[in-house]
Parts: sequence; structure tokens; C-alpha cells
Amino acid sequence: KQEVTQIPAALSVPEGENLVLNCSFTDSAIYNLQWFRQDPGKGLTSLLLIQSSQREQTSGRLNASLDKSSGRSTLYIAASQPGDSATYLCAVRFMGAQKLVFGQGTRLTINP
Amino acid sequence: GAVVSQHPSRVICKSGTSVKIECRSLDFQATTMFWYRQFPKQSLMLMATSNEGSKATYEQGVEKDKFLINHASLTLSTLTVTSAHPEDSSFYICSARAGGATDTQYFGPGTRLTVL
Repeated sequence: KQEVTQIPAALSVPEGENLVLNCSFTDSAIYNLQWFRQDPGKGLTSLLLIQSSQREQTSGRLNASLDKSSGRSTLYIAASQPGDSATYLCAVRFMGAQKLVFGQGTRLTINP
Repeated sequence: GAVVSQHPSRVICKSGTSVKIECRSLDFQATTMFWYRQFPKQSLMLMATSNEGSKATYEQGVEKDKFLINHASLTLSTLTVTSAHPEDSSFYICSARAGGATDTQYFGPGTRLTVL
């Protein structure tokens, strides 16, 4: 079964810290992996998309890595800010599938 | 990034009525659109996938007669919740993708449905 798992479910850190969110998936045959951010009561904002052939993508203070062979991706957030507080979702498009398979998300709180 | 809009953002209706939610891709043509449902503090649950001009493919356990999906054009998909009941109250999110499997999937802002 194709599944995506995110650990931890919740994380609380002081402002300014660098942090890593983890995502694992059960099948290395993927088209791509996407990281999203969701604020309470809102839709999803796409942060980074990593294609199967790529190892990492960067956008500002965010860096996402992909290791297909081990079925893992990490989202690195540098110099965290209170505005980074949100739920972060990892989603994988497995080969042969139209749909994204989502992890359960990591609820991140950055304390001022 | 690309923009996907949803309308309405919030709707309250009486039990037994039908509610239509629109999803539009504003600056790209969406060959594939997706409808999700999200319960509080949970991740997204895919309801159905639709390609323009074709019938939607529903996920297991989703009633196609209850949740009618129409993907009439490359920029518009609608979800109609027929004869809504309180248990249909939820956050509904649409998503759109321009091209093939490697393309980014963009999400709308969601519609909060409350059935009294």
C-alpha cells in the first residue's frame, strides 16, 4: 500500500531556530513530492515541488530534500519566525497514480 | 504561483437542500481537477478526480449521487452536495493541475459548509 508518514505530528520551537520536518513514503517509484503549508481554516499553499529526478529544491528560507531510495524527504526551515506557524503537509504522487497521497501533517508552532 | 479560486468561501444551509461549490483555475488551464474533504485536525481526504469533459472518478466510499462533480471546461469544476445533511458539514477544498503527472498541483482556499 502506498502511504506517506510525517513525524512529528506536532513541533514547538523558539523563534530563530533552524528545524527539520520529516516525511517518509513506502514506494520509491514516484513522479514527485510536494510540500504544502496550511493555515487554520485555509486552503493549501504549495511551498516546494521536487521531481523524481531531483535531490533538493530551495525557496528562501526553505529547503526540501528527496532521497527516493530510502523513501524520505525533509523540509528544512532556517531562522524560524512566528509567521512560520502552520501545519506542513507532505504529499507524494506515486507512479501510475493521478492523485497525491498526503501525510497527516506536522503542526508547527514558533514561539516568540 | 498559479491561482485557484473557490466560491463560496462559506455556506450555511438547511438540511435537505443542495449546495453548489465552484472551483476555477484563474491563470492556467486545468486538465485535471480534484475535490477533497477535510475534517478538523485531519489531513485531506480525496473525494474524486475529474478530467475535463470526462466523468469524475470517485474514491471508494464516496457516493457519486450525493456529490455530483462537473468539470465542464478547462478552468471550471463544480461540486454539488445534493440533499445535504449535518454529517456533510466539512471543509471542501478543490485542486487543479495543468498538465501531466509531474506538474505542480495547486489548491483553492476551501469552502466551509455547515448544514443545519
